[in-house]
Amino acid sequence: SAVISQKPSRDICQRGTSLTIQCQVDSQVTMMFWYRQQPGQSLTLIATANQGSEATYESGFVIDKFPISRPNLTFSTLTVSNMSPEDSSIYLCSVSYGVSSAEAFFGQGTRLTVV
Amino acid sequence: GNSVTQMEGPVTLSEEAFLTINCTYTATGYPSLFWYVQYPGEGLQLLLKATKADDKGSNKGFEATYRKETTSFHLEKGSVQVSDSAVYFCALMVTYKYIFGTGTRLKVLA
Repeated sequence: SAVISQKPSRDICQRGTSLTIQCQVDSQVTMMFWYRQQPGQSLTLIATANQGSEATYESGFVIDKFPISRPNLTFSTLTVSNMSPEDSSIYLCSVSYGVSSAEAFFGQGTRLTVV
Repeated sequence: GNSVTQMEGPVTLSEEAFLTINCTYTATGYPSLFWYVQYPGEGLQLLLKATKADDKGSNKGFEATYRKETTSFHLEKGSVQVSDSAVYFCALMVTYKYIFGTGTRLKVLA
């Protein structure tokens, strides 16, 4: 299994500012992902964080808005840039070992409120 | 494209009642199927999984069978407990990407 530490656990931010969320894993993992979970809705994949290269973004998400770093196999950051109230959501880090049919492990999430 | 359709909640049951939460999927290729659970105040955790057709995943009295012919993966439990109150997410994985359903909130009353 993997233990994921995500920081901060929650934050209230002013519109127009940026917030960086950190995800630290207790072991080296192959795959790291960032999801958004809006109130009462499902998890939506934002991007796959790739070690040492640009993240792979899903349709509707762009690097300028959600820059992602992954400098090694245990750490990644997601920045929510130029925030608006519509960005209020829970942001989740997820990891897997990349083996076919492997379970995904999730952090506790970051609850972001933009005012 | 790939998608998961899940029974809408909330579902409210009395303790020891039978539970079914429906889940159907659309996928290219041969996905693996999962049920995740999110207890109040906690992160998502894997409940059970099935990796190929006719596989049955089971855990904590819950079970689900991978039905390729009906593209379904319904979650069942014969006798629910108050401690089962949580949000349940059906998910599929294809090429390491997970697609989640909308989640079903279950409330079990004593």
